[in-house]
Amino acid sequence: DTEVTQTPKHLVMGMTNKKSLKCEQHMGHRAMYWYKQKAKKPPELMFVYSYEKLSINESVPSRFSPECPNSSLLNLHLHALQPEDSALYLCASSQDDPYNEQFFGPGTRLTVL
Amino acid sequence: QKEVEQNSGPLSVPEGAIASLNCTYSDRGSQSFFWYRQYSGKSPELIMSIYSNGDKEDGRFTAQLNKASQYVSLLIRDSQPSDSATYLCAVNMISFSGSARQLTFGSGTQLTVLP
Repeated sequence: DTEVTQTPKHLVMGMTNKKSLKCEQHMGHRAMYWYKQKAKKPPELMFVYSYEKLSINESVPSRFSPECPNSSLLNLHLHALQPEDSALYLCASSQDDPYNEQFFGPGTRLTVL
Repeated sequence: QKEVEQNSGPLSVPEGAIASLNCTYSDRGSQSFFWYRQYSGKSPELIMSIYSNGDKEDGRFTAQLNKASQYVSLLIRDSQPSDSATYLCAVNMISFSGSARQLTFGSGTQLTVLP
């Protein structure tokens, strides 16, 4: 099974809302990633979890809060977002080996009003 | 700053032709290289991984790697309209925070295959 799942597919939220994005993989991968992608741009790394511990935070604003409850699950908690945070949020996973071959989920299309 | 650059697009080829996509990278220490295909509104899909110099073939796709020239390419033979997508080159590099090797993406090349 080479699938990474993400929920919800679409999310519309106001600037005062709190919401969460969820990601799940059953490939036995030990590294999981959150990316943000704006239209016509490549994915931009936000966070990396390795063996359920946060290993990379690419200077992401604190209104984005990641959580890794176990090796298969990854959440991204959202609070007080800005309209410019509207984007496609992608989750990916990999074996956390030197090759770093990553597989992406379908993404969550987020709109902040 | 570590960079990955792709040939500027968009690129249009007729159906049945060979599409050639190119990518250069700045980090000589990079060891793994990937091509992702991304359809409009969808997420990136891994189509090729290459780790050693030379060619790697998978169906109609061939990835070519030359570490000395810091160059990786993707050839799509017998191009089909269904190949129309954005192709992203990704290289495993030291992250911007300097803490670990992570994927750095090129800006992508939009390919259109004309029927």
